[in-house]
Amino acid sequence: AQTVTQSQPEMSVQEAETVTLSCTYDTSENNYYLFWYKQPPSRQMILVIRQEAYKQQNATENRFSVNFQKAAKSFSLKISDSQLGDTAMYFCAFMTTFQGAQKLVFGQGTRLTINP
Amino acid sequence: NAGVTQTPKFQVLKTGQSMTLQCAQDMNHEYMSWYRQDPGMGLRLIHYSVGAGITDQGEVPNGYNVSRSTTEDFPLRLLSAAPSQTSVYFCASSYGGLAPDEQFFGPGTRLTVL
Repeated sequence: AQTVTQSQPEMSVQEAETVTLSCTYDTSENNYYLFWYKQPPSRQMILVIRQEAYKQQNATENRFSVNFQKAAKSFSLKISDSQLGDTAMYFCAFMTTFQGAQKLVFGQGTRLTINP
Repeated sequence: NAGVTQTPKFQVLKTGQSMTLQCAQDMNHEYMSWYRQDPGMGLRLIHYSVGAGITDQGEVPNGYNVSRSTTEDFPLRLLSAAPSQTSVYFCASSYGGLAPDEQFFGPGTRLTVL
């Protein structure tokens, strides 16, 4: 079974700083996908960024980028120039696909607070 | 498009009562799923469906029942509510298939069982 571990329950940084959230996972699969989701106080789950395991290039979406280390099974999220609106819970998630099923396995989450 | 909708937003039940959480999507997605979110934990998969008439169990299926008679709807039934089922429930949908794509989540239902 796959597991996802986020070792930082809470983090806090000042606005405009850069912050990195950690995520490690365990799997015997070779073909899989990784995601970071954001959950603001509204409770809505919002996709931040995704990475296919077969791609060596790290994914980037504006101020968000990942450091994907497949051999180490590590998938960290870097937020540059952090903004107050980035305050949220962040979840790392792992997905495999099988016969149409796309099951997500989530980590425990990191509560990120951006201070003015 | 309304996306993924869930009703109700909040619900309080007494132990032993039954109820159905509704989920609907208008994006013609084949894949739909239910997750629960407990404090200090990430979302955990309860049940999922790869298309109308096809459902299967996820990680924590006990105490829940699902059916999928249409592409649009995927209700979750609590047969006899227990305090351990107090949680926030999320429904999600995606196109499905071999290539993973973004799963769209509903706004969630906060359920309290007394």
